[in-house]
Amino acid sequence: RKEVEQDPGPFNVPEGATVAFNCTYSNSASQSFFWYRQDCRKEPKLLMSVYSSGNEDGRFTAQLNRASQYISLLIRDSKLSDSATYLCVVKGEDSSYKLIFGSGTRLLVRP
Amino acid sequence: EAQVTQNPRYLITVTGKKLTVTCSQNMNHEYMSWYRQDPGLGLRQIYYSMNVEVTDKGDVPEGYKVSRKEKRNFPLILESPSPNQTSLYFCASSQNPQGLRQPQHFGDGTRLSIL
Repeated sequence: RKEVEQDPGPFNVPEGATVAFNCTYSNSASQSFFWYRQDCRKEPKLLMSVYSSGNEDGRFTAQLNRASQYISLLIRDSKLSDSATYLCVVKGEDSSYKLIFGSGTRLLVRP
Repeated sequence: EAQVTQNPRYLITVTGKKLTVTCSQNMNHEYMSWYRQDPGLGLRQIYYSMNVEVTDKGDVPEGYKVSRKEKRNFPLILESPSPNQTSLYFCASSQNPQGLRQPQHFGDGTRLSIL
């Protein structure tokens, strides 16, 4: 089983739609969680950190469910510019210096 | 401008010819890391460094070497490249290695093709 798993997609949605991605992680001691965005052939860029209580940044909402070991990303009112691959990233326990990346979920927003 | 700079951006070379990919950051970050990205596998960590002269293996270190003689530089060395090292490589840095709760800043990537 992969340490961080994501549905590869693609999720194909119309502009204005609401779309949600989930990501599961295997290490229950994981401490920090992030969503990164990666455009085709470009470097990953941090979209948002994920906090235990859940957090929102404009149209984006991230949630953490420790009991079920998954994190989610909700995008409201999708824009064409949201088309990208979204990477789930998990850091292990505090003694770990590694970040584990999921293989990404591809989102296509159509006009 | 705060940035992570990798060179070269693209390289096509042949099996066995030693090569070095340079990485430099101007943010005084302690933590630096190298990843490779392959279709369907996501980013996998090759090596990381928590500070000068402190390096450690990631998940896929075989066939690679690194060094951290200065805080700003973290070169990736392929002593004898092989075709299975054809990939997209990213260097990244972040401020503090202890919690790694700060985001990582990535370079633009280096696309290596080993023939």
